[in-house]
Amino acid sequence: AQSVTQLDSQVPVFEEAPVELRCNYSSSVSVYLFWYVQYPNQGLQLLLKYLSGSTLVKGINGFEAEFNKSQTSFHLRKPSVHISDTAEYFCAVSEYPNDYKLSFGAGTTVTVRA
Amino acid sequence: DSGVTQTPKHLITATGQRVTLRCSPRSGDLSVYWYQQSLDQGLQFLIQYYNGEERAKGNILERFSAQQFPDLHSELNLSSLELGDSALYFCASSVAQGRETQYFGPGTRLLVL
Repeated sequence: AQSVTQLDSQVPVFEEAPVELRCNYSSSVSVYLFWYVQYPNQGLQLLLKYLSGSTLVKGINGFEAEFNKSQTSFHLRKPSVHISDTAEYFCAVSEYPNDYKLSFGAGTTVTVRA
Repeated sequence: DSGVTQTPKHLITATGQRVTLRCSPRSGDLSVYWYQQSLDQGLQFLIQYYNGEERAKGNILERFSAQQFPDLHSELNLSSLELGDSALYFCASSVAQGRETQYFGPGTRLLVL
């Protein structure tokens, strides 16, 4: 069974500063990796996903993530954040070909201050 | 707007009661997933249906059941409710299963008093 660890529960950051959210996973089989964002009182929205190919994945809203198989990590980055990036971010993993359910990390709350 | 709709948005009920949460997937999506988000357990997968058939089961209690109908909408039934069942319940849908993105609905917030 897979597990996902998000290493930071809260990340405060100033507007226009860079941010990195760390995610590590463990799995005995191949995985797909995802980052979702949840704005207050809303559902989850996909930021980006890694399925195969290039380990650097670009997503929406200027976010990118890098898959590192040897370190079993999938860290999310944004070079310059905006106030509107204040949200909770979830890293998720699905195993294939076992099943495709998503296993989520505990989430990282990003608070962007002016 | 993901295209996935969930009703109702909010539900307040008492312990011991039974409720039904409804999900309509995006047009053309065959897979429906149910997730529970609570403060103590985080986001957990409950169950998946694909084209009317159950495909995967997660940490779903025996008091909970689900089904997917021929028109592909899905219902999650929660019975003998306990205080600890208070949570946000999300439905997600995808075209098939596998690499396809799961699109999440806005959720149903359940409060058991």
